[in-house]
Amino acid sequence: DVKVTQSSRYLVKRTGEKVFLECVQDMDHENMFWYRQDPGLGLRLIYFSYDVKMKEKGDIPEGYSVSREKKERFSLILESASTNQTSMYLCASSVISNTGELFFGEGSRLTVL
Amino acid sequence: TQLLEQSPQFLSIQEGENLTVYCNSSSVFSSLQWYRQEPGEGPVLLVTVVTGGEVKKLKRLTFQFGDARKDSSLHITAAQPGDTGLYLCAGDGGGYQKVTFGTGTKLQVIP
Repeated sequence: DVKVTQSSRYLVKRTGEKVFLECVQDMDHENMFWYRQDPGLGLRLIYFSYDVKMKEKGDIPEGYSVSREKKERFSLILESASTNQTSMYLCASSVISNTGELFFGEGSRLTVL
Repeated sequence: TQLLEQSPQFLSIQEGENLTVYCNSSSVFSSLQWYRQEPGEGPVLLVTVVTGGEVKKLKRLTFQFGDARKDSSLHITAAQPGDTGLYLCAGDGGGYQKVTFGTGTKLQVIP
C-alpha cells in the first residue's frame, strides 16, 4: 500500500514561533506537494517539488518555505508563525504521469495562538 | 489560475436516495480526479477520467467527464451512510501536475 506520513497530526504553536511540518513517502514518487485546506477556500497549493533540492512556488507561498534534501522527505517551514496560518496542512506525492493523481497524508492541523 | 466550481456545496440526504455532484470550469483539463475526504483525514483518490465523454463506474458511483473536458459529474445511486464525506474534484492542466481543486461538496447520508 502507498503511504504518505505526516509527522504531526495536531500542533499548537504561539505567534512568532518557527514551525516544521515533515512529510515522508515510501512510494519513490518524484513529485511532492504541500497544500493548506480552509473552509470555503478548498485546497490551495503552497509549494511543490519535482526533484530533490528542487522547489517551485504554488499559489500561496508567502510566509512559508520548504526543504527537500532526500527524495522521500518534503518539509514545510513556517519561519514565524502567525494566526492566519492556522489551518489543516496536507502533504501529497505523485509519480510523473499524464494524470496527476495525488496520494495524500492524513494531514496536520496547526493552531497558532 | 484555473478555477473549478462544485455544486452543491452541501447535501444532506436520506439513505437510499440518489444524488449528483457537479464540477465545472471554463478551462480545459488534461485529466480530472475525484477524491473523498473523511473528517480529520487526507483526501483519497476515487477515480481519474482522461477522455472527453468518458464514463467510469465504481460500484454505486458513476463518474462522467464532459465532452469538452471542462466539467465532470459524480452520481451516487442508493446512497449509504458510509458515503458521507467531502467530495473534491481536481483538474490537472498539465505542467508538473499542478492540480487545481474544487471547493468541495460536503455530503451527509442520514440512516
